[in-house]
Amino acid sequence: NAGVTQTPKFRILKIGQSMTLQCTQDMNHNYMYWYRQDPGMGLKLIYYSVGAGITDKGEVPNGYNVSRSTTEDFPLRLELAAPSQTSVYFCASSYSTGIGGDYGYTFGSGTRLTVV
Amino acid sequence: RKEVEQDPGPFNVPEGATVAFNCTYSNSASQSFFWYRQDCRKEPKLLMSVYSSGNEDGRFTAQLNRASQYISLLIRDSKLSDSATYLCVVKNTGNQFYFGTGTSLTVIP
Repeated sequence: NAGVTQTPKFRILKIGQSMTLQCTQDMNHNYMYWYRQDPGMGLKLIYYSVGAGITDKGEVPNGYNVSRSTTEDFPLRLELAAPSQTSVYFCASSYSTGIGGDYGYTFGSGTRLTVV
Repeated sequence: RKEVEQDPGPFNVPEGATVAFNCTYSNSASQSFFWYRQDCRKEPKLLMSVYSSGNEDGRFTAQLNRASQYISLLIRDSKLSDSATYLCVVKNTGNQFYFGTGTSLTVIP
């Protein structure tokens, strides 16, 4: 199993450009998440999905969009990149029963994004 | 008020020392609790879940105090390889996980 795979690992964007951060998992996890981590700060949830076709906003969704057309893939879209979106982005997945049972919460290796 | 608060440290301890980290959470209805470890420029990895009765995994002991809304992590006989940032994680009833900012530990030879 590859686990959670994120691409690209690094990217530099110019202000106003758009890009998609890819995330795929091969563990048949139902839940997937996108976080951003700024220096000295905790991980902030951007969006999450409890299953294919279902997405919900997290703490900091502004400036981002997601889709979940399959169980495996959960891409994160930045439409108009801004310097405030410079961060490290982590995708994660887990199997959750939704009633307190959470298993296998696994992170991808991250994408370091710089917006200049 | 933040969902999860941790002392950021840094904690610098000699090899063999015992070190403890605490973490407080604001939502009394939180359901699940975890400690994660994050090495520099790497992704967080699950260290251990925290159960109401307390649990131990080798040199690591985690405890939960629901009345005071805090969890703790105790590391005994510190090794150089324990140097990392330790993240406190709390899951609330809305299926969202909240991460603390992390506590930095450096174990010194």
